[in-house]
Amino acid sequence: DAKTTQPTSMDCAEGRAANLPCNHSTISGNEYVYWYRQIHSQGPQYIIHGLKNNETNEMASLIITEDRKSSTLILPHATLRDTAVYYCIVRVPNAGKSTFGDGTTLTVKP
Amino acid sequence: NAGVTQTPKFQVLKTGQSMTLQCAQDMNHNSMYWYRQDPGMGLRLIYYSASEGTTDKGEVPNGYNVSRLNKREFSLRLESAAPSQTSVYFCASSPRTSGNNEQFFGPGTRLTVL
Repeated sequence: DAKTTQPTSMDCAEGRAANLPCNHSTISGNEYVYWYRQIHSQGPQYIIHGLKNNETNEMASLIITEDRKSSTLILPHATLRDTAVYYCIVRVPNAGKSTFGDGTTLTVKP
Repeated sequence: NAGVTQTPKFQVLKTGQSMTLQCAQDMNHNSMYWYRQDPGMGLRLIYYSASEGTTDKGEVPNGYNVSRLNKREFSLRLESAAPSQTSVYFCASSPRTSGNNEQFFGPGTRLTVL
């Protein structure tokens, strides 16, 4: 799996968009970008994934640069409940193992 | 569907004791995983099972053994617990199909080794 680099922490005002960056400069052509989040001490929760096109679902949007070396997770209207650790992972979908880094701690403030 | 279930939720062991952490999923997923998470850290993969009948080491396999009992169940065993194994243990499963391999996580087992 390609290595990812994320900022250690970020703050965001409630109601504003939260933009979480991830660098994955060694990503291979067949590796997808996945995002998960972990609220408090719960098990991580899947958010979104993509290969090279931008993706959107009910939780978030994923913007992947044209060279695929970085991506941004966007939470369009952050709420206090979005305070969590966000993990960016790159992997081949049907590969066995997956590597989580230390993630970004997002704090949404009133 | 219960998703991924783990037992027990909490456990305290003495150094040298053994125990097995149980994990089961009811989503008919092919792959299952065991991670550990130390305080303030990210998840580290201990072992995984890409499909029924196979297991492979992850980043931190030392001190652990696993058994993929059937498609539903994947257990993690500590033969001789050490204080360094104090951690939160998460089990996960994924369908492992082309194009998507979203992992679903259980609630975790909080283990303290004294």
